[in-house]
Amino acid sequence: AQSVAQPEDQVNVAEGNPLTVKCTYSVSGNPYLFWYVQYPNRGLQFLLKYITGDNLVKGSYGFEAEFNKSQTSFHLKKPSALVSDSALYFCAVGPPGGYNKLIFGAGTRLAVHP
Amino acid sequence: GAVVSQHPSWVICKSGTSVKIECRSLDFQATTMFWYRQFPKQSLMLMATSNEGSKATYEQGVEKDKFLINHASLTLSTLTVTSAHPEDSSFYICSARDRGTSGLDEQFFGPGTRLTVL
Repeated sequence: AQSVAQPEDQVNVAEGNPLTVKCTYSVSGNPYLFWYVQYPNRGLQFLLKYITGDNLVKGSYGFEAEFNKSQTSFHLKKPSALVSDSALYFCAVGPPGGYNKLIFGAGTRLAVHP
Repeated sequence: GAVVSQHPSWVICKSGTSVKIECRSLDFQATTMFWYRQFPKQSLMLMATSNEGSKATYEQGVEKDKFLINHASLTLSTLTVTSAHPEDSSFYICSARDRGTSGLDEQFFGPGTRLTVL
């Protein structure tokens, strides 16, 4: 069965510092991996995805994520955090070959302090 | 990018009444739409997969007679919460899968509908 783990409920970082939001996954075969961001009372906004190819994926708003097959991880990163990055971040995994039935992690709240 | 809308954005209803939530793909055709439920400070839980012109596929534990899903066209799916109770209060989010009319193949999420049952 597929699963996604986001081990941190909350990540705190100072503005201008690099940030990392962790995600590990469990899926048979080659997964589709996604990161989404959610602002209060809003739906999810797509940040980036990994399907195949380069392990480093660049996405929206300066975010990037690194796919590590040996560690089954897909951590989200940004070199310099902004206060406006404060939001809820979800990692998701889709089954090999398709976008159906995304399984979401529990979410990590990112708080960027001035 | 592709846009998905939901209506209403929030609704308050009395216990025992039914509430309909619409999900529309505005600039693409969605043969598949998904309905998720999100409790406060929790993740999204997939409720059902809706395919245009056929019956929805419900996830284990989701009551299909309580959460009625209709996907009558390639741009519209509806979720009706029947005989709503306070425990049905939640944030309901839909997504639509674009299978290529815009050159993409991914899920696009609506802004969500907050349901409060008194």
